Amino acid sequence: SYVLTQPPSVSVAPGKTARITCGGNNIGSKSVHWYQQKPGQAPVLVVYDDNDRPSGIPERFSGSNSGNTATLTISRVEAGDEADYYCQVWDSSSVVFGGGTKLTVL
Amino acid sequence: EVQLVESGGGLVQPGGSLRLSCAASGFTFSDFEMNWVRQAPGKGLEWVSYISSSGSTIYYADSVKGRFTISRDNAKNSLYLQMNSLRAEDTAVYYCARFRAFYGMNVWGQGTTVTVSS
Repeated sequence: SYVLTQPPSVSVAPGKTARITCGGNNIGSKSVHWYQQKPGQAPVLVVYDDNDRPSGIPERFSGSNSGNTATLTISRVEAGDEADYYCQVWDSSSVVFGGGTKLTVL
Repeated sequence: EVQLVESGGGLVQPGGSLRLSCAASGFTFSDFEMNWVRQAPGKGLEWVSYISSSGSTIYYADSVKGRFTISRDNAKNSLYLQMNSLRAEDTAVYYCARFRAFYGMNVWGQGTTVTVSS
């Protein structure tokens, strides 16, 4: 089965740029989606199809995908961005989530 | 307003059954594929099951195959998850989510909690 690997945690100072990676075999050939989940809340889609943003998601959120790594980039990080982030792909008739990354804003 | 509302969670003994429901509103339910996703306490997201817009194509995670059944009633704008032979490891918050392959899961319900314990 397909595996997506994320770092358990990423820390960043306010106003700086956070990058969260999602590794998978030839993930660049797949469409990658990213979700933000705050404590006690349902996940929210923040990037879909590698680098598109749903309406209402700030331009500070962007994505890229090439080779074996997809990346979610959050520019000018704010305290409100502190959350768990999950990558997701569709593979061989199943949905696959990464293990999640906890973003801490210092 | 586009909305998904889950119901049917609760406390059940190991080996028992539960039926979860997800009521959709604010969009044409029959146009969209749907998923069930769960999250055990303190853990990450785990996909459970997928159903196509017509209900003709269904997939399950290996962890629930043979025990859970997904279904939908487009006339009632509703999605269901029949869960049988429940185990302690099925304890989780269960979310329904609207889905399209290249657009991700862009609408989620608030979740319903299932606790399997004696």
